[in-house]
Amino acid sequence: GAGVSQSPRYKVAKRGQDVALRCDPISGHVSLFWYQQALGQGPEFLTYFQNEAQLDKSGLPSDRFFAERPEGSVSTLKIQRTQQEDSAVYLCASSLGLVTEAFFGQGTRLTVV
Amino acid sequence: AQRVTQPEKLLSVFKGAPVELKCNYSYSGSPELFWYVQYSRQRLQLLLRHISRESIKGFTADLNKGETSFHLKKPFAQEEDSAMYYCALNPPNAGKSTFGDGTTLTVKP
Repeated sequence: GAGVSQSPRYKVAKRGQDVALRCDPISGHVSLFWYQQALGQGPEFLTYFQNEAQLDKSGLPSDRFFAERPEGSVSTLKIQRTQQEDSAVYLCASSLGLVTEAFFGQGTRLTVV
Repeated sequence: AQRVTQPEKLLSVFKGAPVELKCNYSYSGSPELFWYVQYSRQRLQLLLRHISRESIKGFTADLNKGETSFHLKKPFAQEEDSAMYYCALNPPNAGKSTFGDGTTLTVKP
């Protein structure tokens, strides 16, 4: 596909369950970002990869959140022992370089019940 | 700490009227400013960035460093402009963005 693809689009998890969210960036894009968007708010930065290297994870809210991009392409955001406050839309974005235009995916809406 | 404030959650104008979406920021330095737009059931997409100084879909935005503002303007709003608009800030040479909470623009016929 031509754009950033995220899966699943929707995920309902029971509190305490682990979840994994996938992001397929645009082919050739070096930079990859994850954001968390709570209802009624703007996206908030979680973490950033340049190829396979995670260069900034300052936005991850707790050690329950973990992200990886092992081959510098597909990325997975994992949340362990989900809590209700983790309910949000998780957005992935990719760009050719650090300061070039970022292209966003459709997001994964996570609901923790 | 950097911060982006969009004071209006909702903005409603009639077709053909001028529209201004406000954005104020706080950052000690020279950031890069952006406007993103999200149309109904579509993904977030870049509308314009201050360094390109171009007009996209009739929208313009001027960076005012004295007032730390980056308001988005269009002289004649169209119904297809109805969407959610986000202002965002990047530190220099950095890709991670700080977003405002967005303004929902409704253009009435």
